[in-house]
Amino acid sequence: SQQGEEDPQALSIQEGENATMNCSYKTSINNLQWYRQNSGRGLVHLILIRSNEREKHSGRLRVTLDTSKKSSSLLITASRAADTASYFCATDANSNYQLIWGAGTKLIIKP
Amino acid sequence: DGGITQSPKYLFRKEGQNVTLSCEQNLNHDAMYWYRQDPGQGLRLIYYSQIVNDFQKGDIAEGYSVSREKKESFPLTVTSAQKNPTAFYLCASSSQGQGTIPMTFGSGTRLTVV
Repeated sequence: SQQGEEDPQALSIQEGENATMNCSYKTSINNLQWYRQNSGRGLVHLILIRSNEREKHSGRLRVTLDTSKKSSSLLITASRAADTASYFCATDANSNYQLIWGAGTKLIIKP
Repeated sequence: DGGITQSPKYLFRKEGQNVTLSCEQNLNHDAMYWYRQDPGQGLRLIYYSQIVNDFQKGDIAEGYSVSREKKESFPLTVTSAQKNPTAFYLCASSSQGQGTIPMTFGSGTRLTVV
């Protein structure tokens, strides 16, 4: 089952611009995570945000969580060509051992 | 360097053949997972193991089998019963349940039926 729904499915922006991706989910969660996947590679963890947190930062990344709207957003500031990848959100609604994944947002940074 | 190693990177399977994908980690993680990824889709859980000699089915276990005889190793066998095995397979591990702590992923095995 796909609880997380990323929006948009694809995003193309100029280098240096900010990129915002959204994730919506259906049931209550304890944690939400964001991962990045370069084409044909494994996933790399970016940020984990807990249900009692509203915002979290890591370098050029900012994640917000609105549990009342059951949504999260990932903001990448001052984008670079190396940020070109697919970005996935995952929630722990089922259990600690079974995350539920969205279909991802494909981000393309144009030089 | 600690990490997860998946092999082979590419694998070709003939109809009716069983194939085994290897996953080895040196992170001393208790939990290991196998995911399947199809084009344009998110990850779907095949099997997971919380501890040695124990594993549970995920959402799409039919046609797959696993073993966890050693903490470091979690091989996945794609059997002939899996009718549509062409996909990208990802192995991951975590020190606790994946919902509470980030996972580390391998670089994947791309399986193609020929």
